[in-house]
Amino acid sequence: EVQLVESGGGLVQPGGSLRLSCAASGFTLSNYWMTWVRQAPGKGLEWVANIKPDGSVKYYVDSVRGRFTISRDNAKNSLYLQMNSLGAEDTAVYYCARKNGMDVWGQGTTVIVSS
Amino acid sequence: QSVLTQPPSVSAAPGQKVTISCSGSSSNIGNNYVSWYQQLPGTAPKLLIYDNNKRPAGIPDRFSGSKSGTSATLGITGLQTGDEADYYCGAWDDSLSTGVFGGGTKVTVL
Repeated sequence: EVQLVESGGGLVQPGGSLRLSCAASGFTLSNYWMTWVRQAPGKGLEWVANIKPDGSVKYYVDSVRGRFTISRDNAKNSLYLQMNSLGAEDTAVYYCARKNGMDVWGQGTTVIVSS
Repeated sequence: QSVLTQPPSVSAAPGQKVTISCSGSSSNIGNNYVSWYQQLPGTAPKLLIYDNNKRPAGIPDRFSGSKSGTSATLGITGLQTGDEADYYCGAWDDSLSTGVFGGGTKVTVL
């Protein structure tokens, strides 16, 4: 079964850091672009970042560029999102998804930025 | 303010048809494929339509997609109570070099 499972969310203070992970199974991660998408409470979907299969190309939405870093370890079938300088506006459920067309989604992990 | 524009809500009676519009520009919908996602309450989004009008395996043909110029449309026929959800369009934007979504449309079955 093709599956994505996110982890690493939690409560963090403003200015803090958090690293999200996304474990892939049932397919070969190294064959696919991968994407992070977030959804603030009661709001719509926001595209965050994506990464090429070999990790050589990365794109970010303006609001996170310079603070977030997307990476991957194909040998470990894992995708990551390192989030630094977190603010209240980063509070959201974070989803990883396969491909730019997002054909498979994880269940999401919740990040709450609050003092 | 979303890059792609969707109506906030649509509604219809069971068995009827609804359409959801998604308006963009030449840098996104006009030059790239459109996808549609369904998000049932409290769950992760699910891909409904990709490459403008293709359905993944397991998606019933009650759901259809189309694109014309810088706009796209999702159609749902034979509306069921289980179709009550938020629906989002998405596409790549060449100018922003990011993916973009519509603000979402809530479908209510009357």
